[in-house]
Amino acid sequence: AQTVTQSQPEMSVQEAETVTLSCTYDTSENNYYLFWYKQPPSRQMILVIRQEAYKQQNATENRFSVNFQKAAKSFSLKISDSQLGDTAMYFCAFLVSGGSNYKLTFGKGTLLTVNP
Amino acid sequence: DGGITQSPKYLFRKEGQNVTLSCEQNLNHDAMYWYRQDPGQGLRLIYYSQIVNDFQKGDIAEGYSVSREKKESFPLTVTSAQKNPTAFYLCASNWGRGAYGYTFGSGTRLTVV
Repeated sequence: AQTVTQSQPEMSVQEAETVTLSCTYDTSENNYYLFWYKQPPSRQMILVIRQEAYKQQNATENRFSVNFQKAAKSFSLKISDSQLGDTAMYFCAFLVSGGSNYKLTFGKGTLLTVNP
Repeated sequence: DGGITQSPKYLFRKEGQNVTLSCEQNLNHDAMYWYRQDPGQGLRLIYYSQIVNDFQKGDIAEGYSVSREKKESFPLTVTSAQKNPTAFYLCASNWGRGAYGYTFGSGTRLTVV
């Protein structure tokens, strides 16, 4: 079974600064996908970024980028130039590629607060 | 616009009652999922369905039931056997094998009164 661990229950950052959220996972699979989801106070889940495990290059989406270390089973999210609208719960998630089901396994989340 | 609609947004249940949460999608996605979210617990999978008329238990299926009679619909019933039903419930769907993640509904907050 796959597990996802987010070791930082809460974090805070000043507006315009950079913050990194940590995520580690445990799996015996070689091919999988990793995701970061954002859940703002509205509670709508929004996909922030995805990474394919077979790709060496780290994914980037505007101010959001990841540091994917496959050997270490680490998948951190970096938010640059933090904005007040980035205040949200962030979930790391894992999905096995080509498995018999397409279940997403989530971490417990990190609550990020961006302060003005 | 395509998406997932969950209703109602808020639901109150008396002890011993069954309640049904609605989830409808117009994305033509094959697979649908129900997750439960509690503070500090992340999202935990209740049930999922990959095709019509078939579904599987997730990690916390006890006290819940589902049906999948139509591709577009995946209702969740919270039965009286669920001892701690107060939670936020999220429905999701995906296309293909989930490589691009899930699309989520806006959730239903269930409270036992």
